[in-house]
This record gives sequence, C-alpha cells and structure tokens, in this order.
Amino acid sequence: EAQVTQNPRYLITVTGKKLTVTCSQNMNHEYMSWYRQDPGLGLRQIYYSMNVEVTDKGDVPEGYKVSRKEKRNFPLILESPSPNQTSLYFCASSLSRLAGDYEQYFGPGTRLTVT
Amino acid sequence: QKEVEQNSGPLSVPEGAIASLNCTYSDRGSQSFFWYRQYSGKSPELIMSIYSNGDKEDGRFTAQLNKASQYVSLLIRDSQPSDSATYLCAVITPDTGRRALTFGSGTRLQVQP
Repeated sequence: EAQVTQNPRYLITVTGKKLTVTCSQNMNHEYMSWYRQDPGLGLRQIYYSMNVEVTDKGDVPEGYKVSRKEKRNFPLILESPSPNQTSLYFCASSLSRLAGDYEQYFGPGTRLTVT
Repeated sequence: QKEVEQNSGPLSVPEGAIASLNCTYSDRGSQSFFWYRQYSGKSPELIMSIYSNGDKEDGRFTAQLNKASQYVSLLIRDSQPSDSATYLCAVITPDTGRRALTFGSGTRLQVQP
C-alpha cells in the first residue's frame, strides 16, 4: 500500500530533550516536506527536500533540523525542544518536480507535547 | 504576502444537497490548487487538484477554478453525513521551487442527516 508513515504518533517530552520524528514513504517520491498545524495558524511548512541531500527552510524552520540521506526517509529533529513546539506535525511527499505534478500526500501526523 | 481565504463556517447542508465551498487567493502567480479534507485530529486527505481554468469533476466532487477572479471552489453533490469535515483549500506558487502548500484556514462542513 502506497503511504507516508510517521513515528511516533504521539510523544510527550520535556524541554531540552532531543527528539527525532521519523517520516518514510514507499512511493519513490522525490519531494518531501514537514508541516506543523496549530489552532488559529493553520498548516505551515517547516522544511522541505527536493531530493536526496537537498533540503531547505520553509516558513517556520527555527528550532528544527532535517536530513535526507535516503530518498524514502526524511526525519525531523528537534535538538532542544521548547513548549512553543507543541503542535501536530505532518510529513508530506510528492512524486515529481515536473510542472503540474505537485500533489502532496500526508502522513498520519505526530502529536507532540513539550512540557 | 501570500494568502488563501476561506469562510470558516460551519456550513450546514441537509443530506443529499449540494455543498458549495469557496476559496480566494491573493497571489496571481499561483498555478496549482488543491482541496483537502481533514477530519478532526486526522491528516489532510487530498480530494481534488486543479491546474487550469474551468471545471474538473471526480465522482461527487467538482472543483472550479477562475484565475482571473482568483477563486477556486469545490462542489460536493449528494452530500453525505460522512462528508462532515473541515475542507482546506491549498495553493502552490512556484516562485522558489520549494513547492510549499499555502493553506486556507478551512471551512467546516456539517451534513445533517
């Protein structure tokens, strides 16, 4: 089954304790992205990757890191989480850089709480 | 500033009726338009994409795009209670190639049995 998976689905942690949220897709998609969703602010892009070893900042990258060592995986790293990073996080992927082929498919989400 | 505007609703329609959801966007360079459905606490699910002016139909869903007026709409025919969800309009403006989806705040649809 074609899908985007994320782990963990739920995470409660404390300020300053490094964590990684994994994202994996089995569709051979080149493009992957991370979004966060907050009440009143909607969905906002954190980081994206056009292909292996090619990553760049989105709208709200502060406090986050990413890597893209393999095509299928795009982990989101919080080196020192803070309470304002409490949010619902989604990973998304898209097939191709070809014009007009920008449909993005979302993973199930990770609900993160930082205390 | 790129913006996507939607009426937050709730939009309430009886079962079997047509639900009409609207979205306007501010960036004339926008070229790709999407409708996502999101149930509470779940991930956005892509239901329609549209790239050129006019209508695009897929089952009970029809997306309409008018680039001159900068609006995109979604019609849901024969609405079912299971259609009750928040519908997110999203736009991509390929200025930097980062292909970020800019989302509207969503319209909550309630289909009354």
